[in-house]
Amino acid sequence: ETGVTQSPTHLIKTRGQQVTLRCSSQSGHNTVSWYQQALGQGPQFIFQYYREEENGRGNFPPRFSGLQFPNYSSELNVNALELDDSALYLCASSPKGSGSYNEQFFGPGTRLTVL
Amino acid sequence: AQKITQTQPGMFVQEKEAVTLDCTYDTSDQSYGLFWYKQPSSGEMIFLIYQGSYDEQNATEGRYSLNFQKARKSANLVISASQLGDSAMYFCAMREGRGYQKVTFGTGTKLQVIP
Repeated sequence: ETGVTQSPTHLIKTRGQQVTLRCSSQSGHNTVSWYQQALGQGPQFIFQYYREEENGRGNFPPRFSGLQFPNYSSELNVNALELDDSALYLCASSPKGSGSYNEQFFGPGTRLTVL
Repeated sequence: AQKITQTQPGMFVQEKEAVTLDCTYDTSDQSYGLFWYKQPSSGEMIFLIYQGSYDEQNATEGRYSLNFQKARKSANLVISASQLGDSAMYFCAMREGRGYQKVTFGTGTKLQVIP
């Protein structure tokens, strides 16, 4: 196990609703990244937070937003849910910010289903 | 253009045999890192091996080795002595530059180990 936890494990929402997913980083890690993995695809980078600031963003609309807290835990918020948002959402933490080669430690993911 | 290309959607290997999973990448950066992850059906991404673009020797981690051919922009994963527990999806991924740690994943290869 990586020490990265995510909650909830599964979630069912309907179109138009809002959802918040949570991630607790491994101890000592100050960088967290979020990924969306659609069925049968590789993970797609959503954004990264380093020391509570957004540190990079992938090709996702503004209705995907995030937060990182002083204890380095993180939230992913998705507004106005669409059917295509159905996916496995993975968070990954790493011990350093930009300039580091360290691998990312992934959590078990939250499986979101939008009906 | 695809940043990471995995041309083998599925592979079979006999137990105890070696198998090579292909990965090619595309980047104009001089500094980058290449990763392989394993994703069992449970969904969690498990880090296997890392190769930095400036590393002169191929990375090895136990039964995993990365065949890094920089001029060909390939980073194939070799698994020796396959075990039934190796059956999973395998993703090749790349981190570019020295900035934030966006990691781009390939579409994956599903490996099935036959007893």
